[in-house]
Amino acid sequence: ILNVEQSPQSLHVQEGDSTNFTCSFPSSNFYALHWYRWETAKSPEALFVMTLNGDEKKKGRISATLNTKEGYSYLYIKGSQPEDSATYLCAFIGGTSYGKLTFGQGTILTVHP
Amino acid sequence: DAGVTQSPTHLIKTRGQQVTLRCSPKSGHDTVSWYQQALGQGPQFIFQYYEEEERQRGNFPDRFSGHQFPNYSSELNVNALLLGDSALYLCASSLGTGVSKETQYFGPGTRLLVL
Repeated sequence: ILNVEQSPQSLHVQEGDSTNFTCSFPSSNFYALHWYRWETAKSPEALFVMTLNGDEKKKGRISATLNTKEGYSYLYIKGSQPEDSATYLCAFIGGTSYGKLTFGQGTILTVHP
Repeated sequence: DAGVTQSPTHLIKTRGQQVTLRCSPKSGHDTVSWYQQALGQGPQFIFQYYEEEERQRGNFPDRFSGHQFPNYSSELNVNALLLGDSALYLCASSLGTGVSKETQYFGPGTRLLVL
């Protein structure tokens, strides 16, 4: 059974703070790592697909890094805004699957004005 | 361009009944995956359909079955419903070629409550 862990489980920050959270995944048989942002009552929104060790991706104030050798990815949010409040999910894809996403349990981010 | 759509949005059933959930993929996408999200957990993979066939299956019993139509839309059927089947059911679509590195686009989900 694949184990994808996210930490922390939840996070409360003030508007303007920068924050980061972690996704840990099996370091063997890595194929891809997906990050999603999920606001309440909406569809999960794809943020990044990361495939290469050392990958760094950026979308506005959000960026992510990938270390496949040690099995972790970090998601960073610079200058958090209340609209960044959401659940952030990572999902691992192993080498033998056709896009079967194995999700972590998510990090719930709340940004207070 | 309509994204991934799912119907119905909410559903209430009783134990032992059967349910069918529907998904229309994003325009141009030919692969549909289904996930179950129980409260407090990440989504769990149920199965994936490509070219009208089940390509991969997660750790779910045979009570969970599906279908993909020639227009790539898909149905998820659950027979003999149990209380534990209460969850949010998500559908995701993508392009079949190189699907592991393609972005998967999710619908808003169907909330199923089994009483």
